[in-house]
Amino acid sequence: SQQGEEDPQALSIQEGENATMNCSYKTSINNLQWYRQNSGRGLVHLILIRSNEREKHSGRLRVTLDTSKKSSSLLITASRAADTASYFCATGTQGGSEKLVFGKGTKLTVNP
Amino acid sequence: GAVVSQHPSRVICKSGTSVKIECRSLDFQATTMFWYRQFPKQSLMLMATSNEGSKATYEQGVEKDKFLINHASLTLSTLTVTSAHPEDSSFYICSASRDAGLNTEAFFGQGTRLTVV
Repeated sequence: SQQGEEDPQALSIQEGENATMNCSYKTSINNLQWYRQNSGRGLVHLILIRSNEREKHSGRLRVTLDTSKKSSSLLITASRAADTASYFCATGTQGGSEKLVFGKGTKLTVNP
Repeated sequence: GAVVSQHPSRVICKSGTSVKIECRSLDFQATTMFWYRQFPKQSLMLMATSNEGSKATYEQGVEKDKFLINHASLTLSTLTVTSAHPEDSSFYICSASRDAGLNTEAFFGQGTRLTVV
């Protein structure tokens, strides 16, 4: 069953703007991970945030986690056309974080 | 990061034939690998957990006799789609983690686009 639910499902912005994607989940987790997928390709790991962490940064990426609300957000700052892709959150649930449950994804389009 | 290689990247087969997809961890050993399926414009759905040296664990609704998984070594898992039908056409992706335990990053293969005609 689907665990994460991303919103929005699709997001279109201009280059240079910030993009924010949200993810909600239902069960207790060990960690939450964000992945990127270019059309028809494999997944690229972006960032992992543990359940005891609230915020994490990696380059232009900023991820927050609110376990009380069971939600996470991914912020991409100063977006580029090359950031165009689908972004998925995935939760590593208690009992085995290697087994990931994916959300439905947000399709981000960055217009040059 | 670690590298997971999946082969082939694309395959077209006739209905009724079987197709084997390989997933290799190139620079690390993986006791556990995972197989996912993705329909167009949809999310990844976990099909099964591949365990080295033992039987795979299938998710509910996944036919184990149709999707045969073999994890013969610490660096190779294979998924065989048997007696393929057009509805099996999909994007299949494997993943593996380098480290055991919690909070480890999963590395994904490039995916295999299967088209059954």
